[in-house]
Amino acid sequence: GAVVSQHPSWVICKSGTSVKIECRSLDFQATTMFWYRQFPKQSLMLMATSNEGSKATYEQGVEKDKFLINHASLTLSTLTVTSAHPEDSSFYICSAPARGREGEQYFGPGTRLTVT
Amino acid sequence: KNEVEQSPQNLTAQEGEFITINCSYSVGISALHWLQQHPGGGIVSLFMLSSGKKKHGRLIATINIQEKHSSLHITASHPRDSAVYICAWDTGNQFYFGTGTSLTVIP
Repeated sequence: GAVVSQHPSWVICKSGTSVKIECRSLDFQATTMFWYRQFPKQSLMLMATSNEGSKATYEQGVEKDKFLINHASLTLSTLTVTSAHPEDSSFYICSAPARGREGEQYFGPGTRLTVT
Repeated sequence: KNEVEQSPQNLTAQEGEFITINCSYSVGISALHWLQQHPGGGIVSLFMLSSGKKKHGRLIATINIQEKHSSLHITASHPRDSAVYICAWDTGNQFYFGTGTSLTVIP
């Protein structure tokens, strides 16, 4: 069964509003989680590394004030897209390091965001 | 220039065929991942390897560190193998993702 969940699975919002996406590890703790985005017909792009109890590490070119990441507990990381614009429409995916399988990742099912 | 090159971009095969997807890179790595993305978007991690070869069922992944190249093989392909296969290089500090190979297996 799924070991990483995301909520919501899809969301439509209006330009200028903010959207929060949750990533949860099920039955295990994850001090680190990763957030990715994927545009249609393109590959994944790592956006940021979410660290429990400390600030997220953002990849070059990713606006930290626009994509707010909060890793408030050992099982939950949230990504908030602030003041969303149509160009933020994308597929957002999170992952968490796999238990007992060093270097491997469990991926969440993804969240499809459409900004109108 | 993409640090990770995958080929082919698209692949159509008849059920039962042996399939090979290639991935080459230009940066130093600590590990190589092969991922499978289904049409709905969900991603499954197939392999993580840093040397040699790994096998899970009909899937085989190999890596040649000296040549900076990895291959994913599918034996006796089946329509349920139809998906996008993505290789990703993990340098220890950053992931570099390939552009993906879209595989369609026809019954």
